[in-house]
Order: sequence, then C-alpha cells, then structure tokens
Amino acid sequence: DADVTQTPRNRITKTGKRIMLECSQTKGHDRMYWYRQDPGLGLRLIYYSFDVKDINKGEISDGYSVSRQAQAKFSLSLESAIPNQTALYFCATSHRGRGNQPQHFGDGTRLSIL
Amino acid sequence: AQKVTQAQTEISVVEKEDVTLDCVYETRDTTYYLFWYKQPPSGELVFLIRRNSFDEQNEISGRYSWNFQKSTSSFNFTITASQVVDSAVYFCALSELDTDKLIFGTGTRLQVFP
Repeated sequence: DADVTQTPRNRITKTGKRIMLECSQTKGHDRMYWYRQDPGLGLRLIYYSFDVKDINKGEISDGYSVSRQAQAKFSLSLESAIPNQTALYFCATSHRGRGNQPQHFGDGTRLSIL
Repeated sequence: AQKVTQAQTEISVVEKEDVTLDCVYETRDTTYYLFWYKQPPSGELVFLIRRNSFDEQNEISGRYSWNFQKSTSSFNFTITASQVVDSAVYFCALSELDTDKLIFGTGTRLQVFP
C-alpha cells in the first residue's frame, strides 16, 4: 500500500461545484502539504500544515481551503470550482527533523473542471 | 525572494549519452536546502537527493551525480550513460531553513531514445 494516498485519482466536474480532495498517510509524519502542478509552471504550494492545529497559506491559496482532521489526514476543498483550477494536485508529507527533510508525495489527483 | 530556474525545458539524448540538467537558484538566506525530484511518465514524484547549503561536496549515486557550486548558485544533475528508463521530468527545488516549503523550478523533460 502507498504511504501517501490521494483520493480520488481522477475527477471531472462542472464549474461551480464543491470538490474535496483527500490525502491520508501512514508514514507518521507531522507535516503535510498540498501542491498543484500546471504544464510549464512546475509545482506551486497551496496550503501546508505542521500539525493538527496548524494551517498556513502557501503561494496560491485563493479559491482553496483545507482541513487537517487528524495527523494522518489533510483534505483540500474547492468551494466553487472554476476551469482555471484544472490541474494535477499533489499531497506531500515530511517529518520534523534535523534540517529540512525531503517531502514524500502521493500519486496525484488529476482534476478537470468543465 | 526565492527562485529556482531550470532553463532547459526539454532535452533529448540517445541511450548511453551523458546528460546534465541545470539548476540555478536565488535566495537571501545563508542556510537553505536543495532537492531534485524525478517525475516519470506515470506521474508520481520521486525524491532523488537533498543537499544543504553548507555541504558543497559533490555526490555520486550510481549513474547519477550532483554538482553543487555556491559561487554560481547552481546545483546541476548529471546522468552518466543514460537509459530509456531515465526519461522523465526532473525538478529542482529549494527550501529555506525550517520553513520546509519547497520552491520548484519549472522542470526539465528528458527524453532518452534507444
């Protein structure tokens, strides 16, 4: 089983719909992140959380919200989806350690908004 | 402000050729971390290496090697004797101490032809 699991893997929906992407991890990491990947732009950070009571905005948080329901779960919501939110979304985790630890990524959720 | 530049959008080589992927970064901090990730056609992100700003030793792992030069703010990645399985998009990323937030370059797509 994957250490970082994202559901769904693919989703097609319509403009204006509310969508939730879920991420769960079995790595025991305390830090979790959401990124989006667009062609030619690399990955950009949407939100991150260093523990259950900690939520921080990233570079491109407008139009998104998150919830850290437990140490192992971090969900990303699009309250009213719009076509330019069509992208590949990645969840990642890392643990607090000496120096900045590598982030470990899920397999991604491909989201298309029509 | 932090920034990572991967000027090579796409590189094509024939199997067994050596290839170098360039990464240039900008940061005001003296302590920071650099990373390389691989994204094969299947889409997942695979961690390759982490380097901190105080460790300028080059690293070799099998056919992979990394050259970190603070004087030119570069962290280049070389694949020796490339193979078809090396075909992927490669991302360089930067994070400053204790923030853990990754700033990604736009990636270099490497195609290795048989």
